[in-house]
Amino acid sequence: GAGVSQTPSNKVTEKGKYVELRCDPISGHTALYWYRQSLGQGPEFLIYFQGTGAADDSGLPNDRFFAVRPEGSVSTLKIQRTERGDSAVYLCASSLWRGQETQYFGPGTRLLVL
Amino acid sequence: AQRVTQPEKLLSVFKGAPVELKCNYSYSGSPELFWYVQYSRQRLQLLLRHISRESIKGFTADLNKGETSFHLKKPFAQEEDSAMYYCALGDNTNAGKSTFGDGTTLTVKP
Repeated sequence: GAGVSQTPSNKVTEKGKYVELRCDPISGHTALYWYRQSLGQGPEFLIYFQGTGAADDSGLPNDRFFAVRPEGSVSTLKIQRTERGDSAVYLCASSLWRGQETQYFGPGTRLLVL
Repeated sequence: AQRVTQPEKLLSVFKGAPVELKCNYSYSGSPELFWYVQYSRQRLQLLLRHISRESIKGFTADLNKGETSFHLKKPFAQEEDSAMYYCALGDNTNAGKSTFGDGTTLTVKP
């Protein structure tokens, strides 16, 4: 079956612009996670959804970052007023349900803010 | 606060040699530990988790609570093991959150 997909694969934007990154989890997976990975570092947790609700958003760096998952499937990570420091690979993962189940990762969206 | 340290950014061994990728963690509760691997041009994938106590692709990892370590080992490295390896710590008080180390790039030379 299809794995986790993310679009776009690459996004170049200018400082101050708004961007949306999309994640399509594996069908039937109720848990969805967003991570940010900067060059030379491991993935950094941003937010975790169980169903439609954000169960933990403690990793979001500031209020410019927001994520939704309105129907409990596809999720969108939204970044307002982008800054150069937001440049990173944004990873999405899903798992069957909450808990330390195996997380299946998407290919990531590489965001570059000029 | 939970933390994962992978002290080696780069590790290079010859084919057939033993390999050990180090991982140390800091966590006040009962840890849930994982190793993830990312092969060239592929996505991040789970290699093994300590709770399963299984061997995947010849790799094993033992949780040592006294030393707060979860080192990944393989007795005979293969060229196809060349990849980036990440150690990750799950938060049992918050079932969704994982903390990753910064990774070790393993190169197995022929």
